[in-house]
Amino acid sequence: ETGVTQSPTHLIKTRGQQVTLRCSSQSGHNTVSWYQQALGQGPQFIFQYYREEENGRGNFPPRFSGLQFPNYSSELNVNALELDDSALYLCASSLRQGARITNTGELFFGEGSRLTVL
Amino acid sequence: AQSVAQPEDQVNVAEGNPLTVKCTYSVSGNPYLFWYVQYPNRGLQFLLKYITGDNLVKGSYGFEAEFNKSQTSFHLKKPSALVSDSALYFCAVRDGGNDYKLSFGAGTTVTVRA
Repeated sequence: ETGVTQSPTHLIKTRGQQVTLRCSSQSGHNTVSWYQQALGQGPQFIFQYYREEENGRGNFPPRFSGLQFPNYSSELNVNALELDDSALYLCASSLRQGARITNTGELFFGEGSRLTVL
Repeated sequence: AQSVAQPEDQVNVAEGNPLTVKCTYSVSGNPYLFWYVQYPNRGLQFLLKYITGDNLVKGSYGFEAEFNKSQTSFHLKKPSALVSDSALYFCAVRDGGNDYKLSFGAGTTVTVRA
């Protein structure tokens, strides 16, 4: 176990609705990344949060947004859900040291939240 | 831009035989390379990484990987496969000068038959 927890584990929404997914990072980690894994594909980077700010973003539209809280936990919000948003959403935590990029370590992933959009 | 290619969708081996899962990468800076394993309906588990140093890196569960800069490859190997190694394996790369994005391959499904 990595110590990264995600909730909910499964959820079903209908097209057009909004969803919030939650992630608690591993103790001592200050950076959270979110990935989308569609069925049969590798994870795709959505964005990363460090010091409560978005620190990098993949090719996802603005209806994908996030937050990071002072305790380093994070939320992923998706508005106006589309059928193609059905996927496993993975949260990963890591430790970044200071403003300079020095983190060479691996990411620690949670078990994921499986979203089905009908 | 950075990317990973895993040329084999599936690898099938008999238990006790050597296992190799292939990975090639493309990155503009220094490559940081990783292997992860995913079991059904689970998250990703870290196996091993290459950042710098010895080209042969050893990881969890008896796995190892060899970094080959000239061939831009980072193949995962295990000398003697177990049925419990059956899973989905992902290779990933990050540009050493860029912290925020890890790019994954499409994955290789490994099946080890008894």
